Amino acid sequence: DGGITQSPKYLFRKEGQNVTLSCEQNLNHDAMYWYRQDPGQGLRLIYYSQIVNDFQKGDIAEGYSVSREKKESFPLTVTSAQKNPTAFYLCASSINRNTEAFFGQGTRLTVV
Amino acid sequence: QKEVEQDPGPLSVPEGAIVSLNCTYSNSAFQYFMWYRQYSRKGPELLMYTYSSGNKEDGRFTAQVDKSSKYISLFIRDSQPSDSATYLCAMSRLTGGFKTIFGAGTRLFVKA
Repeated sequence: DGGITQSPKYLFRKEGQNVTLSCEQNLNHDAMYWYRQDPGQGLRLIYYSQIVNDFQKGDIAEGYSVSREKKESFPLTVTSAQKNPTAFYLCASSINRNTEAFFGQGTRLTVV
Repeated sequence: QKEVEQDPGPLSVPEGAIVSLNCTYSNSAFQYFMWYRQYSRKGPELLMYTYSSGNKEDGRFTAQVDKSSKYISLFIRDSQPSDSATYLCAMSRLTGGFKTIFGAGTRLFVKA
């Protein structure tokens, strides 16, 4: 089945630790995205990538980093510099930029 | 002023009712419009997308776009309890750099 797989579903992190969220897609999509969702707010773009080895900052990139070494994979690292990392993180992909995006099932990160 | 405005609800309707969900936007560069459904603790699921003004129908769902008024709607006919979810509008521009904006979502409850 084609789709987007995010792992883990739930993640707990101690303050001061970096943590990496996984996102894999087998849809052969060029573009991939990371969004953050907080209660009562729309999706906010963290980073996006339109092609392998290239990525761009979104609206709230501070405290996050990404890589795009393979077309299928777009991992997100939440660093200790992110002051309020507890949130629901969504990975998405699309054929190309600005077309409809398909989402994974999300990772809920909690800082303890 | 936000680029996309969406009433957060909650909206509560009886089973079988026609539901109207709406978004307004301010940027006339948006040319591509999408509706997503998101169940609690899940990733958004694409329901419909459209480029043009007018109506697009898919089963019980109708997406309506009025570019002159910068207003989009999603109608759900014969609503079911399984339609209870948060509905997100999204819109993109088709030229220039990447820009997709999501509404904050409207929470819908359909009572049996």
